[in-house]
Amino acid sequence: QVQLQESGPGLVKPSETLSLTCAVSGTSIRRYYWSWVRQPPGKGLEWIGYIYYSGNTNSNPSLKRRVTMSVDTSKSHFSLNLTSVTAADTAIFYCARVSYDTSAYPIYYFDYWGQGILVTVSS
Amino acid sequence: EIVMTQSPVTLSVSPGERATLSCRASRSVSSNLAWYQQKPGQAPRLLIYGATDRAPSIPARFSGGGSGTEFALTISSLQSEDFAVYYCQQYDNWPLTFGGGTKVEIK
Repeated sequence: QVQLQESGPGLVKPSETLSLTCAVSGTSIRRYYWSWVRQPPGKGLEWIGYIYYSGNTNSNPSLKRRVTMSVDTSKSHFSLNLTSVTAADTAIFYCARVSYDTSAYPIYYFDYWGQGILVTVSS
Repeated sequence: EIVMTQSPVTLSVSPGERATLSCRASRSVSSNLAWYQQKPGQAPRLLIYGATDRAPSIPARFSGGGSGTEFALTISSLQSEDFAVYYCQQYDNWPLTFGGGTKVEIK
């Protein structure tokens, strides 16, 4: 079955770069679009961005200048970098699979999610 | 950006009762709306997409309705495992946006 697993440091210092990886198993990373969503503790969900294996990306304008994403098809994982973090970036970060229609066209809701990883920004 | 507003923030319901959750979009999202359920310490789980279609393995007691700017998620007879937070998400326009959530708690 499809599984996603986030990994990365749980603590990042202010002004540094948050780097996370999502390992994909049970499906081909080339077939789908992949996304990042975050959730500050006790709060709601915020979409960060998506990436396709070709390098096609799109991200939330609220974060666009600080977000970069990449895919490594050989390792079947994709990654998120968020630069210049502050305490406001403290959140649980989820990776998720973008769904698709019968023509294999992406439909931008999320049908599989990782378990999430809490990243705290603190000195 | 399309703002998604969910109401109520908290809904107190007795097991076996019906629950209706609302989601309103600041402008039309057609039927490009999904609902998710999130339990404490867990990732969100897809319930409904296309405003009305149940995701695989989702029980029939969950149903979605609406289009345009007004949507509803109905749980026909609440089971103990349904007490959770529910989020709507529009995927009609960029950026993708979520509602603030409705917590369904035991009355």
